[in-house]
Amino acid sequence: GAVVSQHPSWVICKSGTSVKIECRSLDFQATTMFWYRQFPKQSLMLMATSNEGSKATYEQGVEKDKFLINHASLTLSTLTVTSAHPEDSSFYICSARPRLAGGGETQYFGPGTRLLVL
Amino acid sequence: AQSVAQPEDQVNVAEGNPLTVKCTYSVSGNPYLFWYVQYPNRGLQFLLKYITGDNLVKGSYGFEAEFNKSQTSFHLKKPSALVSDSALYFCAGAYSSASKIIFGSGTRLSIRP
Repeated sequence: GAVVSQHPSWVICKSGTSVKIECRSLDFQATTMFWYRQFPKQSLMLMATSNEGSKATYEQGVEKDKFLINHASLTLSTLTVTSAHPEDSSFYICSARPRLAGGGETQYFGPGTRLLVL
Repeated sequence: AQSVAQPEDQVNVAEGNPLTVKCTYSVSGNPYLFWYVQYPNRGLQFLLKYITGDNLVKGSYGFEAEFNKSQTSFHLKKPSALVSDSALYFCAGAYSSASKIIFGSGTRLSIRP
């Protein structure tokens, strides 16, 4: 149980293009999903918190117009990196917090998406 | 400000020996504390959590962690290390069930045969 998937697992794109990453909770409903960014040999940096049916809350320093987040349903959130540049190359990880009472404090993580912008 | 610290970048242990990965926290109120493990090019896997109750928490793969309020620590332990335990370990904390989780910087655990 508590499986979170991400698609694609890796993507290479040209500078200036947009890339969409999907995050799905496969066997549970998630009221909240989180998007993280991880640079090599570093910890996870929270980018934004996504609640189903409402606008995402972005962390300080994260450009909301560049990193578009949509939480269309209780099992799907998407992150779109718009007009990607080489400095956006990173490992993007999503997590989902179950809707069930008692499980709300635990996040379950997706396998990550490695983005390389040329 | 809330924070979680992992003072060791790397921990090296011989297979079969006990291991400890250290974590200290600065979280207001009664903290929610977690340990996650990350294998190369993979997302994080949940190991265990402390919410309330018994200070010794048992988790996946034989790992356990001890919550120590006086020392504000939540060290991860295992009595006998396996080579397959080699990975990157993250300690994390939150001050409520609904708040965001704050991650430590990570500790790379290396188990030599």
